[in-house]
Amino acid sequence: GQQLNQSPQSMFIQEGEDVSMNCTSSSIFNTWLWYKQEPGEGPVLLIALYKAGELTSNGRLTAQFGITRKDSFLNISASIPSDVGIYFCAGPAGTALIFGKGTTLSVSS
Amino acid sequence: NAGVTQTPKFRILKIGQSMTLQCTQDMNHNYMYWYRQDPGMGLKLIYYSVGAGITDKGEVPNGYNVSRSTTEDFPLRLELAAPSQTSVYFCASVRTGHGYTFGSGTRLTVV
Repeated sequence: GQQLNQSPQSMFIQEGEDVSMNCTSSSIFNTWLWYKQEPGEGPVLLIALYKAGELTSNGRLTAQFGITRKDSFLNISASIPSDVGIYFCAGPAGTALIFGKGTTLSVSS
Repeated sequence: NAGVTQTPKFRILKIGQSMTLQCTQDMNHNYMYWYRQDPGMGLKLIYYSVGAGITDKGEVPNGYNVSRSTTEDFPLRLELAAPSQTSVYFCASVRTGHGYTFGSGTRLTVV
């Protein structure tokens, strides 16, 4: 079946650093989504991408829809302690979403 | 708006016991989903519903059942709890598209 491969699995960074993570698939997707999950909560949608090559920002977050339609990237600039959490990529599978395994981000101040 | 409400937040079950995880949304969303999350494994789809009276299996449905008698409610039933069902369960809903609203989860331990 379809699978989304996220990397890195985890990151430990200093406050103020920039972060980059990515998600790849063996299948083509028409939509890429990035979610963030904070401890004890459900995932929350950060950015949705609908077009190959699209670059979309949400504050300090920027995500790109790869031109091959098989990958997507999420960048966080000038990280702060509240960026801590698990970041998931997701893509449509029928009427549902499939999720990557997540990138766990830790930020030290 | 309350959004998606899940109860209980925590539960410990003994092997073989049954329970129902409740999920209610007040946004009049058609689509509802149940996922389970295991450490380092992302979210796996258990069951989903595209409207009242319609349900379908996801990737990992074994050991679970669902019903959708109203637009608002989508309970998940475990009939004979097994240790492999120890997980965090998330309910989500959406009107259309893929911008899901998730509940805050139910953490279930089967001992």
